[in-house]
Amino acid sequence: ETVMTQSPATQSVSPGERVTLSCRASQSVSSNLAWYQQKPGQVPRLLIYAASTRATGIPARFSGSGSGTEFTLTISSLQPEDFAVYYCHQCNNWPYSFGQGTKLEIK
Amino acid sequence: QITLKESGPTLVKPTQTLTLTCNFSGFSLTTHGVGVGLIRQPPGKALEWLALIYWDDDKRYSPSLNSRLTITKDTSKNQVVFTMTNMDPVDTATHYCLYRPDSSGRDFWGQGTLVTVSS
Repeated sequence: ETVMTQSPATQSVSPGERVTLSCRASQSVSSNLAWYQQKPGQVPRLLIYAASTRATGIPARFSGSGSGTEFTLTISSLQPEDFAVYYCHQCNNWPYSFGQGTKLEIK
Repeated sequence: QITLKESGPTLVKPTQTLTLTCNFSGFSLTTHGVGVGLIRQPPGKALEWLALIYWDDDKRYSPSLNSRLTITKDTSKNQVVFTMTNMDPVDTATHYCLYRPDSSGRDFWGQGTLVTVSS
């Protein structure tokens, strides 16, 4: 099974800051990697798919990069509505799998 | 417009079988390459894939739950049905139906349904 490891588990940041979240796969997932944002009580929202393609309606401050086993999600200038949990998701190797999430907290 | 909606019981007793139905619109499960699956999320925890069925009836199951899961499709009704046997309180989770148009991760989610396992 492909284990997805996200770091850090929690990050305290201030609005306006640039933040980079990391995701590592235990084996190659090619570019079949997505990023999700989830707020309490809500359905996960797709931000990025194919490692670097923004989903429909996602602001340009969100960007993704990487391939193989190392991936990053960057938020260029954190907005108040961006404080949430972020998950990476590999959909290359069955069983598909998610990371444990990175929680962005207000500093 | 692509929509998916999960339906089923909100409460099941331990040892019972859970049956969830995913009704969808806006795509066809006869289209080459597409699939519909089920993901769950226990309260406060991460997301976990349970099962996936493809357009050609290829079925995938979580290895840890394989013996308890069944997934089937009815393309005439635009419906996918999941069953999970021998439910336990640790299976309490929000269950999401998901449409996979391709392998890129550009997936579409249902609204989710919370299933609680309790006597």
